[in-house]
Amino acid sequence: AQTVTQSQPEMSVQEAETVTLSCTYDTSESNYYLFWYKQPPSRQMILVIRQEAYKQQNATENRFSVNFQKAAKSFSLKISDSQLGDTAMYFCAFMKQNAYDKVIFGPGTSLSVIP
Amino acid sequence: GAVVSQHPSRVICKSGTSVKIECRSLDFQATTMFWYRQFPKQSLMLMATSNEGSKATYEQGVEKDKFLINHASLTLSTLTVTSAHPEDSSFYICSWTSGGGTQYFGPGTRLLVL
Repeated sequence: AQTVTQSQPEMSVQEAETVTLSCTYDTSESNYYLFWYKQPPSRQMILVIRQEAYKQQNATENRFSVNFQKAAKSFSLKISDSQLGDTAMYFCAFMKQNAYDKVIFGPGTSLSVIP
Repeated sequence: GAVVSQHPSRVICKSGTSVKIECRSLDFQATTMFWYRQFPKQSLMLMATSNEGSKATYEQGVEKDKFLINHASLTLSTLTVTSAHPEDSSFYICSWTSGGGTQYFGPGTRLLVL
């Protein structure tokens, strides 16, 4: 069975600063996807970034980037130039590379951006 | 991106009554969808996987007779909470998958059972 762990229940960062959220996972699969989802107070799930495990290059999306270490089963999210709108719950998630498989979520990290 | 709607967005009901939650994909068709439950300050926990035209597969610990899923078409799925109790109060989220690792989440339904 796959598991996703986020060891930081809460974090805070000053506006315009950089913050890194940690995530580790456990799987015996070779091919899979990893995601970071953002859940703001509205509770709508928003995809932040996605990584295919077969790709060595770390995914980036504007101010968001990941550090994907496949051997270590680590998948951290770096948010640069933090903005007040980044305040939200962040979930690390795993999905087997089966076309219609389920997503397994980590426990989440509550991020607060301080003005 | 694809749009998924849920109705109602919030519902309050009395203990012992049944509540139906609808989940629609508005601009795409998909055979597989998922229902999640999220308690306050917790993560999303998968309740069941549903494929159009077949019975839903429930996760361990989820009562299939209590949480009825009807995957009526490629764009509509319903979750009925039967004989709801206060402990069923939660945030219910549906998601459709179009394959290839892409999931489209609904906005969620907040259920409060008094």
